[in-house]
Amino acid sequence: DAKTTQPPSMDCAEGRAANLPCNHSTISGNEYVYWYRQIHSQGPQYIIHGLKNNETNEMASLIITEDRKSSTLILPHATLRDTAVYYCIVRVVNQGGKLIFGQGTELSVKP
Amino acid sequence: GAVVSQHPSWVICKSGTSVKIECRSLDFQATTMFWYRQFPKQSLMLMATSNEGSKATYEQGVEKDKFLINHASLTLSTLTVTSAHPEDSSFYICSAQGWGGTEAFFGQGTRLTVV
Repeated sequence: DAKTTQPPSMDCAEGRAANLPCNHSTISGNEYVYWYRQIHSQGPQYIIHGLKNNETNEMASLIITEDRKSSTLILPHATLRDTAVYYCIVRVVNQGGKLIFGQGTELSVKP
Repeated sequence: GAVVSQHPSWVICKSGTSVKIECRSLDFQATTMFWYRQFPKQSLMLMATSNEGSKATYEQGVEKDKFLINHASLTLSTLTVTSAHPEDSSFYICSAQGWGGTEAFFGQGTRLTVV
């Protein structure tokens, strides 16, 4: 599976946009980019995923570069409850496509 | 999103005993389930992948005789930690994906403490 690289930590002011980068330079053509987050002592929560087009849902937006070697997760108006570890994962979407977690980015939203 | 429920949320057991953790998909049929464990301040580590009706595929370094995984139905998978020892104390998390689904949903995790 392709690996991802994320900054270990980031801070964001409450109410501002949080932009979390992810590098996945060895991504294969059939691998999707997934984002999950984990709040302390809970199971990960699905946020969004995409293949090559930008995606948006009620939680966030996902911007994938044209060469697909990097992406950015955008939380448009961060709140204190968005403080969590955010994981960027690339995986093949079929039976048995593994979800391999890297170290993630610890996002701290500050008042 | 779909709901995945784990039980129990936490368990304390004596060294040498076995513990079973259940993972249920409540509103969809989970054809694939993943089991992870997570130590404090570390990321999730994939232990094994199981497809309904098939034997689980374990990741390198994970003892299949110690961590028994059963995925006998489309809504239930179990992880049994056999002869548990203090070093097995960890946060165990399951994830489930349905047929044709592109998202994997996670349970809330089980905190295991072996004393």
